[in-house]
Amino acid sequence: ETGVTQSPTHLIKTRGQQVTLRCSSQSGHNTVSWYQQALGQGPQFIFQYYREEENGRGNFPPRFSGLQFPNYSSELNVNALELDDSALYLCASSLWTAVTGELFFGEGSRLTVL
Amino acid sequence: QQQVKQSPQSLIVQKGGISIINCAYENTAFDYFPWYQQFPGKGPALLIAIRPDVSEKKEGRFTISFNKSAKQFSLHIMDSQPGDSATYFCAATDTNAGKSTFGDGTTLTVKP
Repeated sequence: ETGVTQSPTHLIKTRGQQVTLRCSSQSGHNTVSWYQQALGQGPQFIFQYYREEENGRGNFPPRFSGLQFPNYSSELNVNALELDDSALYLCASSLWTAVTGELFFGEGSRLTVL
Repeated sequence: QQQVKQSPQSLIVQKGGISIINCAYENTAFDYFPWYQQFPGKGPALLIAIRPDVSEKKEGRFTISFNKSAKQFSLHIMDSQPGDSATYFCAATDTNAGKSTFGDGTTLTVKP
């Protein structure tokens, strides 16, 4: 059984640029959620994808967008990067959360915006 | 608006002691309450979780106590070990919305 894998692990961007982060979900899972974890804080919910559609969204602007593919992998795209976007971006896979609330996290992609 | 409040922010415990971390929530739509353990450079890992129809759940040295009327829940780590040193996050999940709301974390240090 393979766990959740994320890429890249670290990246540096400048303000105004765009970034794409990738996530491969754990085998057997059909739901992917993305979280932003600022330094010293808990993860904050960005959105969740189920059956290739956005299922729920947190308080993040539209420049945060995502995709889920038929193999349940996912991408997080952030446009017009701002300094405050610097954070660890965590992907979590799960079975449909109405069945279970368990989340299985990857190790994250650390984004630094200069 | 912080919907899950976690305390303390940091905790130092001697080896063999009991570590206690507390959380309080506001939204009554939450129906699943997990605790996650996070080591530096790693993603959070599920430690133990409880649903609101149960007041206590124990798994090995880890116990969750849940008080639905007070909207509070806590994690107890018995016989704390140096390997337990990590950051612990409580979370509250609305499983229908697919959203988990996390506390700000507690950094636990267990001294040998």
